[in-house]
Amino acid sequence: EVQLLESGGGLIQPGGSLRLSCAASGFTFGNYAMNWVRQAPGKGLEWVSVITGSGSGTYYADSVKGRFTVSRDNSKNTLFLQMKSLRAEDTAIYYCAKCMSTSGWPSFDPWGQGTLVTVSS
Amino acid sequence: SYVLTQPPSVSVAPGKTATITCGGDSIGSKNVHWYQQRPGQAPVVVIYYDSDRPSGIPERFSGSNSGNTATLTISRVEAGDEADYYCQVWDRSSDHYVFGAGTKVTVL
Repeated sequence: EVQLLESGGGLIQPGGSLRLSCAASGFTFGNYAMNWVRQAPGKGLEWVSVITGSGSGTYYADSVKGRFTVSRDNSKNTLFLQMKSLRAEDTAIYYCAKCMSTSGWPSFDPWGQGTLVTVSS
Repeated sequence: SYVLTQPPSVSVAPGKTATITCGGDSIGSKNVHWYQQRPGQAPVVVIYYDSDRPSGIPERFSGSNSGNTATLTISRVEAGDEADYYCQVWDRSSDHYVFGAGTKVTVL
């Protein structure tokens, strides 16, 4: 069974940094692109970033480009999101999600349960 | 940037058909994915690549995509279908995934 487990969320002051992790199991991790998607309280889904299976390609939403960095350790089946210069508007549940197939720009399946990041003084 | 437009809400009686639209410029030339998100849960894909249905998703869920509108159809609606539904595409011009704002389906 494919499982994704996020961790690292919490309360952080504006301007601070935080690193999220997503531990993956049940599939050949390095074969699949992985994503971060966030959801502010009571709001819709916002795609944050995608990283290719090898880690050689990364893409970011305009709202986080230059502040967030996605990376992965395929030897440890773990995805990361380093977040810097955090703002109140970054407050959200952060989900990691696996691309459904190994080619193209597929849907996301499955998703983790999410980790809550709260940016507040 | 590419914009996907969804109606904020759709209400439907049990046993009837719910139709959720997702509008975008020439969306028919893109691959559209649909997600269901029940309250307090992570999203689940219900339709991918316009009209494919993952295993475990009831046949009552179907999708289509043409011109400037993609559509998710839920036939014979049940109380358990009450959820938020999001459409998604990959926008090649910006190298971004894009989500619609979501549609809340209420079963009357």
